[in-house]
Amino acid sequence: AQRVTQPEKLLSVFKGAPVELKCNYSYSGSPELFWYVQYSRQRLQLLLRHISRESIKGFTADLNKGETSFHLKKPFAQEEDSAMYYCALTGRGSTLGRLYFGRGTQLTVWP
Amino acid sequence: DTAVSQTPKYLVTQMGNDKSIKCEQNLGHDTMYWYKQDSKKFLKIMFSYNNKELIINETVPNRFSPKSPDKAHLNLHINSLELGDSAVYFCASSQRAQSNEKLFFGSGTQLSVL
Repeated sequence: AQRVTQPEKLLSVFKGAPVELKCNYSYSGSPELFWYVQYSRQRLQLLLRHISRESIKGFTADLNKGETSFHLKKPFAQEEDSAMYYCALTGRGSTLGRLYFGRGTQLTVWP
Repeated sequence: DTAVSQTPKYLVTQMGNDKSIKCEQNLGHDTMYWYKQDSKKFLKIMFSYNNKELIINETVPNRFSPKSPDKAHLNLHINSLELGDSAVYFCASSQRAQSNEKLFFGSGTQLSVL
């Protein structure tokens, strides 16, 4: 069965420090991984997806199939990065169009 | 010019009542979804429609009935509301029902069942 695990419910760092939000997954097929973010008083929105291999707002995430991980990283955190971050997974076949979300990590960046 | 809009934003009601949440998207997308976020912020898919056709129906009680009059609208009707239905319900849409599609979310409807 598919599963997304975000082990940290809360994560706090100081401005300028590196930040890594962990995401591990379990999926028997070929996964597609995403990070969604919800800033305070805003709607949930896509941050990045592994297939695009992009860097958004300084964040990157690499899919590691050996470790079944898709950790989100940023070398220098900013206060405006404070938000709720969700890792999500989907795959081809029966899960087409169905996103499985982790429980989210609330990131707080202190000044 | 909101992309995905859902109403109402807040809904407080008594157990046993029937209520509806409406969702509309003006993005021209083919696929729409309903997600439920529980008190622990866990998001779980409930339904998905593609061009008015139901394509995903998770193990949701049949008190929940989605209705899609056209591909721009996906409403959620809930009969005989229970305390456990209290949650935030998010509508979302995507251009297609494909695995790598970006989802656009509404701002959520906070349902409180008393």
